[in-house]
Amino acid sequence: QKEVEQNSGPLSVPEGAIASLNCTYSDRGSQSFFWYRQYSGKSPELIMSIYSNGDKEDGRFTAQLNKASQYVSLLIRDSQPSDSATYLCAVNHIMRGGADGLTFGKGTHLIIQP
Amino acid sequence: NAGVTQTPKFQVLKTGQSMTLQCAQDMNHNSMYWYRQDPGMGLRLIYYSASEGTTDKGEVPNGYNVSRLNKREFSLRLESAAPSQTSVYFCASSDRGLYYEQYFGPGTRLTVT
Repeated sequence: QKEVEQNSGPLSVPEGAIASLNCTYSDRGSQSFFWYRQYSGKSPELIMSIYSNGDKEDGRFTAQLNKASQYVSLLIRDSQPSDSATYLCAVNHIMRGGADGLTFGKGTHLIIQP
Repeated sequence: NAGVTQTPKFQVLKTGQSMTLQCAQDMNHNSMYWYRQDPGMGLRLIYYSASEGTTDKGEVPNGYNVSRLNKREFSLRLESAAPSQTSVYFCASSDRGLYYEQYFGPGTRLTVT
């Protein structure tokens, strides 16, 4: 059973601070790792992808991957109230027929306090 | 370039009624997926289509059928709706390649009474 674990939160962070979101996964064969942002009542939106160990930065977002520890994290610098959302961690696996499946965590609810 | 579109946005059904949820993508992606999202359960895969002409069951396929009409369109059918199928349904698509990124449609909020 492939699993992706996240702390459900809520995680409350003051505006302007760094928000740190964490995720662990069980399938050592996974090669691709994603963070999706989901606002209430909306669909998941892909915000970060990471494929190799280390850090990947995109604007205020940094994704970190440690395959040995099976750990993925997302850092949001200079947090804004508009960052308040649920963040879903997703990890790939290959399914029958060669389709690329994703296993999702249940998400961390992030609240940025003005 | 609309990405992934879904219709309808909202639907209310009575138990036993049938309906089809429509999904289309304009990104020339090979793979398409149907998920349901329930509070506390996260996103769960119902069915997927690795490529045009193929479909396969996901984690929670019971009570659903799918059709991959062509490369662009992938529909989900509820033959006899049950209250347990009250959920938000998302369609997604991805290309077959190195990165496996999936892109989601806006969703259909379905209530079965």
